[in-house]
Amino acid sequence: DQQVKQNSPSLSVQEGRISILNCDYTNSMFDYFLWYKKYPAEGPTFLISISSIKDKNEDGRFTVFLNKSAKHLSLHIVPSQPGDSAVYFCAALFTGGGNKLTFGTGTQLKVEL
Amino acid sequence: NAGVTQTPKFRVLKTGQSMTLLCAQDMNHEYMYWYRQDPGMGLRLIHYSVGEGTTAKGEVPDGYNVSRLKKQNFLLGLESAAPSQTSVYFCASREHSGPSRNIQYFGAGTRLSVL
Repeated sequence: DQQVKQNSPSLSVQEGRISILNCDYTNSMFDYFLWYKKYPAEGPTFLISISSIKDKNEDGRFTVFLNKSAKHLSLHIVPSQPGDSAVYFCAALFTGGGNKLTFGTGTQLKVEL
Repeated sequence: NAGVTQTPKFRVLKTGQSMTLLCAQDMNHEYMYWYRQDPGMGLRLIHYSVGEGTTAKGEVPDGYNVSRLKKQNFLLGLESAAPSQTSVYFCASREHSGPSRNIQYFGAGTRLSVL
């Protein structure tokens, strides 16, 4: 029972264009969402997050959008750079339930020159 | 600034052998977590700790034990390794309160193969 789903295993984008990574969740108790970036042979590193009381959070080239009614969030990277090539994990948690993260399966982003 | 350090980085075991994975954090975080990552799957929580001397089961605890004798260390033990435990193991920690309390910080991982 996958409570956090990333339905696109991979995405290829040209340098300078926008990358859009999507994530869906099923558990309505989730109230905080995070995106992690992972390079090969390294651990996941925190990228950006959003609370359920917001619908958008922006940090430089990275913006996360949350649509609670659709139980959907997305990560926008503009402009995409070759160094953004990595696996991106969406994660969700219920802040009143021990703050245990539930991860999606990840999307491999490749930014091509 | 080391953050979260995992040892060893790689290990190969034979079925039935035992081993302990060590996680150390220097951020004075209360909470610590052990995850495993398998191909095509996200990270799954094995065990976690909300403070020194405490442990709790996560999503996939069977076959593993943990201990948190010191605040900075969280040990993951495999008493009798099985091929199904071949995976990449990640440790994470987070603070108890404050603006970053929902963010977990990860180590670089331990790649374990059980033959």
